[in-house]
Amino acid sequence: GAVVSQHPSWVICKSGTSVKIECRSLDFQATTMFWYRQFPKQSLMLMATSNEGSKATYEQGVEKDKFLINHASLTLSTLTVTSAHPEDSSFYICSASWDLPSYEQYFGPGTRLTVT
Amino acid sequence: GNSVTQMEGPVTLSEEAFLTINCTYTATGYPSLFWYVQYPGEGLQLLLKATKADDKGSNKGFEATYRKETTSFHLEKGSVQVSDSAVYFCALPLSGNTGKLIFGQGTTLQVKP
Repeated sequence: GAVVSQHPSWVICKSGTSVKIECRSLDFQATTMFWYRQFPKQSLMLMATSNEGSKATYEQGVEKDKFLINHASLTLSTLTVTSAHPEDSSFYICSASWDLPSYEQYFGPGTRLTVT
Repeated sequence: GNSVTQMEGPVTLSEEAFLTINCTYTATGYPSLFWYVQYPGEGLQLLLKATKADDKGSNKGFEATYRKETTSFHLEKGSVQVSDSAVYFCALPLSGNTGKLIFGQGTTLQVKP
């Protein structure tokens, strides 16, 4: 149980275009989803927290107009990287939780974004 | 806010060797502590957790004890296998009751046959 999927698993796009990444909880309803960014050989950096039906909360230093997050349902959150540039190339990981106080998060497999 | 420091890797061990990955933290109060594992090409999985001081979390032969005196949560395994090769992350709540986690920098473990 507690499976989270991400799509696509990898994507290559040209500079200036936008890319959408989907995060789905397959067998549970996720009241909260988190989006992380991971650079090579580095830790996860929390980008934003999204709750179903409300606006995402972004961490300091994360551009909300560049990284658009939509949490349309209890099983789906999307991250859109707008006007992507090479410096946006990274590994993006989502996680989902239905029980915030326990701090248990279930992670997706990640999406490798390469901007050329 | 809370913070976590994890030993740098990579750690290379022979099969059946003893493993220790150090993790120390600073925190307000006594938050839950976690170890996550990321196998090659996969997302993170919760390996074990401890919710209060002196608790020992265990799973798949791995153990970690919540030590408030030394603010540590070191991960140990008595006999590693090749299949344990992965990146291990120590984590704790960022602060407050937001559900947010802060992760250590990750330690890559490579186990050779």
